[in-house]
Amino acid sequence: DGGITQSPKYLFRKEGQNVTLSCEQNLNHDAMYWYRQDPGQGLRLIYYSQIVNDFQKGDIAEGYSVSREKKESFPLTVTSAQKNPTAFYLCASTSRGAYGENGYTFGSGTRLTVV
Amino acid sequence: QQQVKQSPQSLIVQKGGISIINCAYENTAFDYFPWYQQFPGKGPALLIAIRPDVSEKKEGRFTISFNKSAKQFSLHIMDSQPGDSATYFCAAISDNYGQNFVFGPGTRLSVLP
Repeated sequence: DGGITQSPKYLFRKEGQNVTLSCEQNLNHDAMYWYRQDPGQGLRLIYYSQIVNDFQKGDIAEGYSVSREKKESFPLTVTSAQKNPTAFYLCASTSRGAYGENGYTFGSGTRLTVV
Repeated sequence: QQQVKQSPQSLIVQKGGISIINCAYENTAFDYFPWYQQFPGKGPALLIAIRPDVSEKKEGRFTISFNKSAKQFSLHIMDSQPGDSATYFCAAISDNYGQNFVFGPGTRLSVLP
């Protein structure tokens, strides 16, 4: 089955530690996205990538970094510079130019907690 | 101007009732309006979507009503069921804003048995 796989499902981070969230898709989608979800605040865009080896900052990129070395993979690193990283992180993808038919496909999310 | 406003923030409906969630936007360049459904601990899933060239789209118990002049659209869930209890997000997108959706803040729906 085609889809987006996010791992791990739960992640605990110590203060000052960098952690990396994995996002893999086998949908042959060009564009991939990372969103952060906090209670009552909806979805906020962190980073997005339209093609391999290119990515753009979203609305809340500070304290995060990404890479897009392969079409299938778009890992997100939460750095120690992110002061309040506890949240639910969602990865999404879509075919470039085809958003009108299928919208985004979302992964199941990673819940990150600072301990 | 890129915001999408959504109301109510939360909604409680009796089983069999009609759930109505409203969204409003400012950017007239938006040309695709989807609704996403999210269950706790899961990622959102596309529920139904509409383009501004039609005023209504129905899929089963779910209907989108679109008012282009008022720049508003709404989701109606007929015969609401406890299994519909979830958070619903409206969204909008325009080619002028690239391929990135603008999401509303979400509505938490609870359908009582």
